[in-house]
Amino acid sequence: GAGVSQSPRYKVAKRGQDVALRCDPISGHVSLFWYQQALGQGPEFLTYFQNEAQLDKSGLPSDRFFAERPEGSVSTLKIQRTQQEDSAVYLCASSALTGGVDNQPQHFGDGTRLSIL
Amino acid sequence: DAKTTQPNSMESNEEEPVHLPCNHSTISGTDYIHWYRQLPSQGPEYVIHGLTSNVNNRMASLAIAEDRKSSTLILHRATLRDAAVYYCILRDSNYQLIWGAGTKLIIKP
Repeated sequence: GAGVSQSPRYKVAKRGQDVALRCDPISGHVSLFWYQQALGQGPEFLTYFQNEAQLDKSGLPSDRFFAERPEGSVSTLKIQRTQQEDSAVYLCASSALTGGVDNQPQHFGDGTRLSIL
Repeated sequence: DAKTTQPNSMESNEEEPVHLPCNHSTISGTDYIHWYRQLPSQGPEYVIHGLTSNVNNRMASLAIAEDRKSSTLILHRATLRDAAVYYCILRDSNYQLIWGAGTKLIIKP
């Protein structure tokens, strides 16, 4: 399909394990965003890439969270030593142009639901 | 960041118009008003956005007050598939979308 693809759709991990979440953005999209969504709340910004450059990581909750986009397309969000409070849906979005004043809409994947036991 | 205020939930009958309000009294001159919706177990979906003038697209209409302190998303003929959480978001030249809790729209058959 032509949309944003995220995998896995569901992930269950034990507390203390490391997890990696993958995002395949829409082909050619320059901007890529990661969000965290807790149950019943709106998404919260985690980090932003423009091509391979991570321009903003101010929303990452701790140094256990790490994101990369080495070739400017696929991105991976990694969480080390997972904690129960990391349980959430992790959403990836991409947009066509740089995320400045163009106000291009963001296209979202269906997310990865992460459950930490 | 400028904030938005939306009702927690609204109900509407199928095949009737729906007006979803949003207050944004602290909006600045460069803030765009964006609307997204999120169906159950799916990622958010872009609906519409505008700056000053009313906007129409195939999904909805956006009516913006003259002072820009409020706006209304209009679904002209609601269907059961429109049941979702609707988010009103202000976005300036920054790339971030700052989300509130949204309005849960319930469509009654």
